Amino acid sequence: AQSVSQHNHHVILSEAASLELGCNYSYGGTVNLFWYVQYPGQHLQLLLKYFSGDPLVKGIKGFEAEFIKSKFSFNLRKPSVQWSDTAEYFCAVILRGSQGNLIFGKGTKLSVKP
Amino acid sequence: EPEVTQTPSHQVTQMGQEVILRCVPISNHLYFYWYRQILGQKVEFLVSFYNNEISEKSEIFDDQFSVERPDGSNFTLKIRSTKLEDSAMYFCASSVFKGGGRATDTQYFGPGTRLTVL
Repeated sequence: AQSVSQHNHHVILSEAASLELGCNYSYGGTVNLFWYVQYPGQHLQLLLKYFSGDPLVKGIKGFEAEFIKSKFSFNLRKPSVQWSDTAEYFCAVILRGSQGNLIFGKGTKLSVKP
Repeated sequence: EPEVTQTPSHQVTQMGQEVILRCVPISNHLYFYWYRQILGQKVEFLVSFYNNEISEKSEIFDDQFSVERPDGSNFTLKIRSTKLEDSAMYFCASSVFKGGGRATDTQYFGPGTRLTVL
């Protein structure tokens, strides 16, 4: 069955540190890729998405992600995190040609120390 | 900016009782979804809905679950006889189209309803 793996359950960083959250998926066909963020007490918000074209995607709040097809990966990066980035981050895929339901990873909780 | 809304934010119920979770999708969206997240686990797809019928459902979505769009704005999830293992956060989402290949396929999520079954 198709699945999405997020390698880190909980990441703790100091402000200004660089961030990379791993995401891998298992599916041989074409996928569309998403990162959602859930700030404490808030709903899931779209951070960025990849459909096609340039594999380096830029999202809101200085986040970016790179799709590496050969590695089935879509890692999220930010060069310098802020305390306000404390949240849970979810990687998700939609299989092209499917009915469009999102397949989520388990999420990575990011805690940024001021 | 338009948002998906959900009510109630928290629902506590006794095992065996029926619950209805309500969602108001974004007004020009055509596709509606329910997902759930059991505490500590991943967000899981339950069902998608389009044109007044179910498009797809997961194996979680058994006969105890049903969805309905009773009017032009609400989208509801009913659990007929709740079980302890139904305790979870339930998220509604909507999109203009489905498939994920276009910007209009992006799913926008509501804040969730936390269901606690005692």
